Amino acid sequence: AQSVSQHNHHVILSEAASLELGCNYSYGGTVNLFWYVQYPGQHLQLLLKYFSGDPLVKGIKGFEAEFIKSKFSFNLRKPSVQWSDTAEYFCAVNAPYQTGANNLFFGTGTRLTVIP
Amino acid sequence: DAGITQSPRYKITETGRQVTLMCHQTWSHSYMFWYRQDLGHGLRLIYYSAAADITDKGEVPDGYVVSRSKTENFPLTLESATRSQTSVYFCASSGRASGGLGNEQFFGPGTRLTVL
Repeated sequence: AQSVSQHNHHVILSEAASLELGCNYSYGGTVNLFWYVQYPGQHLQLLLKYFSGDPLVKGIKGFEAEFIKSKFSFNLRKPSVQWSDTAEYFCAVNAPYQTGANNLFFGTGTRLTVIP
Repeated sequence: DAGITQSPRYKITETGRQVTLMCHQTWSHSYMFWYRQDLGHGLRLIYYSAAADITDKGEVPDGYVVSRSKTENFPLTLESATRSQTSVYFCASSGRASGGLGNEQFFGPGTRLTVL
């Protein structure tokens, strides 16, 4: 079955450490890729998105992600995390020609805990 | 500008009762979605709607009913609630996609539903 995989379920880092969260998907063809963040008690907010062009995408709050088509991956990175980055991070994929132009499929999420 | 709102924010009900969760958006977005969020599963799509009077099933539609008589509203009804429907429910909306591009989804604050 088509899927979105986030292999890290819970990541614990100290402040100033570098972050990389993995996301792999199994949809072929054209894909649009998203990372959403959910701070404790809040709704999902968009961190960044990739539709086309430069595979290195910069988002809000110093986050970036790299689309590697050959690896079906869209990993999220941040060079130096802060305590305020403690949240749950969701990778999501839209495969417009397979599943509809507006449908998103989410990974199971990665909980990030940043220790001051 | 309220954006996308959900009501109630918290609901406790009993098995077998009918429950309706409301979702309202002020952007005139064509697409609206209902997800449930459960530990270990991330977000799973229940139903979505491409426009008023057009709805379609998502990944986990059983036990749920939706309607979309007006563009701005997308209520979700649990006709006979079960304990397995205890979850956090998120509504989302997005604009009409064009050229096969997926659009960002904007999420509501969520409704935490407990079925006893």
